[in-house]
Amino acid sequence: SQQGEEDPQALSIQEGENATMNCSYKTSINNLQWYRQNSGRGLVHLILIRSNEREKHSGRLRVTLDTSKKSSSLLITASRAADTASYFCATDEGGSYIPTFGRGTSLIVHP
Amino acid sequence: EAGVVQSPRYKIIEKKQPVAFWCNPISGHNTLYWYRQNLGQGPELLIRYENEEAVDDSQLPKDRFSAERLKGVDSTLKIQPAELGDSAVYLCASSLESGRARETQYFGPGTRLLVL
Repeated sequence: SQQGEEDPQALSIQEGENATMNCSYKTSINNLQWYRQNSGRGLVHLILIRSNEREKHSGRLRVTLDTSKKSSSLLITASRAADTASYFCATDEGGSYIPTFGRGTSLIVHP
Repeated sequence: EAGVVQSPRYKIIEKKQPVAFWCNPISGHNTLYWYRQNLGQGPELLIRYENEEAVDDSQLPKDRFSAERLKGVDSTLKIQPAELGDSAVYLCASSLESGRARETQYFGPGTRLLVL
């Protein structure tokens, strides 16, 4: 079963624009993670945000978490063509500490 | 530091044939995971090892899938016999530990399996 669900399923933007992806989940979590997957390659960890945190930054990435709404967003600022990839959120269903992945958002950044 | 190594990268077999995937985790990582990723989906956990012990294998189809992690280092995932629906990417990941001290998982490039 998939806990996190990303929205939108696909996003197409121009280089330099910001990209926002959302993740909603169903049960309580200990933490939420965002991963990136380039075509035909493994997943790369981007950011982990804990349930008691509301916002985290890493370079051009900004992640927010709203536990009351059971949702998170990933913002990529000043996007680049190299940001083209699928982005997944992974949540741990309360207590398991094993991440459950959503279906991902496919991001295309046009140069 | 070398990342998670998986082989082969690609495998094409006919249905009912056996197939095996190999994974070498990052040195020092106690926890090893096998995931299956179907096209257009996120990865789904098949089995998790803490050292050489399988601690979470509830999603592993045990009638045809088996896994082992001898000596708590590298691991092998086997399918016998393979079915058409097994076509997917099989991802291996490792972390220092799982459990209450949540650790980042590092993924290998995966093995893309096509069953004809």
